[in-house]
Amino acid sequence: KNEVEQSPQNLTAQEGEFITINCSYSVGISALHWLQQHPGGGIVSLFMLSSGKKKHGRLIATINIQEKHSSLHITASHPRDSAVYICAVSGRYGNKLVFGAGTILRVKS
Amino acid sequence: DAGVIQSPRHEVTEMGQEVTLRCKPISGHNSLFWYRQTMMRGLELLIYFNNNVPIDDSGMPEDRFSAKMPNASFSTLKIQPSEPRDSAVYFCASSFLAGGPGANVLTFGAGSRLTVL
Repeated sequence: KNEVEQSPQNLTAQEGEFITINCSYSVGISALHWLQQHPGGGIVSLFMLSSGKKKHGRLIATINIQEKHSSLHITASHPRDSAVYICAVSGRYGNKLVFGAGTILRVKS
Repeated sequence: DAGVIQSPRHEVTEMGQEVTLRCKPISGHNSLFWYRQTMMRGLELLIYFNNNVPIDDSGMPEDRFSAKMPNASFSTLKIQPSEPRDSAVYFCASSFLAGGPGANVLTFGAGSRLTVL
């Protein structure tokens, strides 16, 4: 079993839909990261969180430490949100990231 | 700041050749990470440095891989000799870690796409 599991692996949505991507982990962490990678592109850090909820524009990330679970939500999705979303966790000292396999999101207009 | 700068962006080489990938981290960051991304294995940490010192190289596949960080503004990842299975995108990332428990946001470079024929 991988230390970081994401679901779904693939997601196709219609423009305007509310999207949720889930991440579960099995190890103790100091923080959880959500990353975005566009096709052929670099990796951008969207959020780093260790408790509660963070919001940036149409993106919302939540984490439940007791349940070892995090969700990334996208409200009013747009085709430009199409990308791979990767969940990663930092160990206690935050120096190593363990990655999930990623969720491929396609938003159709 | 120009962000984390990697070079080359693309490299095509023949099996057996030496490959050197370069990274300039964000000024002021004290931690530097080399990651590899393949379709089969996703993103994997190869090695990370803290204050220019290699802390964990357990992700380095084998002796053909080596990494150095001679100063706070430059790091190299070298593969010698290269093999077709080394074909991947190699990302460098940097961060500032204050020491002790905790984490901080990583800034990734654009990646170096390596193809070994």
